[in-house]
Amino acid sequence: DAKTTQPPSMDCAEGRAANLPCNHSTISGNEYVYWYRQIHSQGPQYIIHGLKNNETNEMASLIITEDRKSSTLILPHATLRDTAVYYCIVIDLGGGTSYGKLTFGQGTILTVHP
Amino acid sequence: GAGVSQTPSNKVTEKGKYVELRCDPISGHTALYWYRQSLGQGPEFLIYFQGTGAADDSGLPNDRFFAVRPEGSVSTLKIQRTERGDSAVYLCASSQKTPHTGELFFGEGSRLTVL
Repeated sequence: DAKTTQPPSMDCAEGRAANLPCNHSTISGNEYVYWYRQIHSQGPQYIIHGLKNNETNEMASLIITEDRKSSTLILPHATLRDTAVYYCIVIDLGGGTSYGKLTFGQGTILTVHP
Repeated sequence: GAGVSQTPSNKVTEKGKYVELRCDPISGHTALYWYRQSLGQGPEFLIYFQGTGAADDSGLPNDRFFAVRPEGSVSTLKIQRTERGDSAVYLCASSQKTPHTGELFFGEGSRLTVL
């Protein structure tokens, strides 16, 4: 699976949009971009995923560049409860033997402050 | 609740002892994963079960680690002759196999401390 690069930390004011970048310049055609977050003392939580198109759900939006070499996770109105480590993960789900084996990096520590 | 349940939530043991950690996945989920997370690091894959069989155990660090899932539901991670370096949070996750998905549901983990 392709390697991802994320900034180690970011700050955001409560109520503002949090934009978390991820570089995955070696991504291949069958590889999806997944985002998870991990709040302190909890297990990771799935947020959103995409292949080529932008995606939105009740938690966040995912913007993937046209060349697919980078993406941005957007939390439109960050709250204090969004303070967590955010992981960008690239995974190949295109093959017959593929499955959800996730390779977590260090992630981005997002701190939302009042 | 309907989530992944892990017990115990905390386990303190002495070096050399045997430890078992239990995972109860979401009902109906055929895929089950174990991960290990050391302080300040992201989770690290250990083993993947599809049904009762271990489809990929490439992440187990050595032969002191073993996991079973005899009836295709509950899984137990077993660690023999524990070492201080085994101290970590052990996370279990489950998912639906079909369609292939990267959406895993994680439990809150079992924190293991080896003194």
